[in-house]
Amino acid sequence: GAGVSQSPRYKVAKRGQDVALRCDPISGHVSLFWYQQALGQGPEFLTYFQNEAQLDKSGLPSDRFFAERPEGSVSTLKIQRTQQEDSAVYLCASSRESLPYNEQFFGPGTRLTVL
Amino acid sequence: DQQVKQNSPSLSVQEGRISILNCDYTNSMFDYFLWYKKYPAEGPTFLISISSIKDKNEDGRFTVFLNKSAKHLSLHIVPSQPGDSAVYFCAASEQTGRRALTFGSGTRLQVQP
Repeated sequence: GAGVSQSPRYKVAKRGQDVALRCDPISGHVSLFWYQQALGQGPEFLTYFQNEAQLDKSGLPSDRFFAERPEGSVSTLKIQRTQQEDSAVYLCASSRESLPYNEQFFGPGTRLTVL
Repeated sequence: DQQVKQNSPSLSVQEGRISILNCDYTNSMFDYFLWYKKYPAEGPTFLISISSIKDKNEDGRFTVFLNKSAKHLSLHIVPSQPGDSAVYFCAASEQTGRRALTFGSGTRLQVQP
């Protein structure tokens, strides 16, 4: 497809379980972003990759959150020992490198529910 | 501390009338602003953007106005259509600095037929 895809679309985890969320960016987009959206709020930045390099991880809320993009394409966001406060929609976005840099295109998100 | 604020959680307008959605920001480093539209169970969809070197950008029924001195931007939709009913997010960024988008909390627009 032409857009950003994410899987799974829905994930239910028991507290303490590890989860892995996948993002396939738009082909040719070298920049990839992860955001967390809590209910009733706007998305909040988690981390940013340019190709395989993680250039900004200032938004990751704890060391339980880890993201990778080993080949500069698909990315995985991993959350270890999930907690109830991790329940949110996790959005992936990609953008091109030509101006304007910051028009980011979002996937449908993964809704994570931690019981 | 919210750097981007959308103070109206909801807005209801009649079909055919103008919808005006407002956004304020506090960080003077922001120089690129975007509006996204979001339907339930979908990701945000890019709508329109504006650079700080401009004060207006227009695309069809959508116009974004930027007032840098007031650190305020607005999105005008005219004429409003029922299909415009969605949550609208304002976002801000630095073009050459931090690439992350900072979002407001959104305004739910309902266009009544």
